Amino acid sequence: DGGITQSPKYLFRKEGQNVTLSCEQNLNHDAMYWYRQDPGQGLRLIYYSQIVNDFQKGDIAEGYSVSREKKESFPLTVTSAQKNPTAFYLCASSTLYRGRGQPQHFGDGTRLSIL
Amino acid sequence: SQELEQSPQSLIVQEGKNLTINCTSSKTLYGLYWYKQKYGEGLIFLMMLQKGGEEKSHEKITAKLDEKKQQSSLHITASQPSHAGIYLCGAENYGGSQGNLIFGKGTKLSVKP
Repeated sequence: DGGITQSPKYLFRKEGQNVTLSCEQNLNHDAMYWYRQDPGQGLRLIYYSQIVNDFQKGDIAEGYSVSREKKESFPLTVTSAQKNPTAFYLCASSTLYRGRGQPQHFGDGTRLSIL
Repeated sequence: SQELEQSPQSLIVQEGKNLTINCTSSKTLYGLYWYKQKYGEGLIFLMMLQKGGEEKSHEKITAKLDEKKQQSSLHITASQPSHAGIYLCGAENYGGSQGNLIFGKGTKLSVKP
């Protein structure tokens, strides 16, 4: 079955530590996205990528970094510069070749907490 | 910038009752998406609306987009405990990159048996 896999489901970060969240999709989608979800805040876009080796900052990119070396993979690194990383992180993907109007499909999320 | 406002923020209904959730945009909607989320899980795509006046249904859930394309509603008929969760509307970001969505803050639905 095609889908989006995020790992791990739960992650703990120590002070000064960088952590990487994995996102893999086998839907052959062009675009991939990372969102952060906080209680009462809805989803906020961190980074997105529409093509391999290219990515763009979203609304809250500070303290985060990404890479897109393969179409299937879009890992997110939460760096020590992100002072409030505790949140639920969601990865999504969508096709672009049909133009606008294509829904994003989501993974099951990773919950990041501070030790 | 475009914003999506959802109402109500939370809703508690008795099983079997009907309910409506609204999503209002500050700009014309080019594509409106409804998602459902269970706590601690990912978003499940429900429906997409693009044309003014469009209406789509799946099982007991109906979504509508008004003629002016600035407001959408999600109606659940004869609610069941399985309908409980957070409902989010998302929209193509006006003037943004193709595929990018902005989201409302969600409506939390509880269904009492």
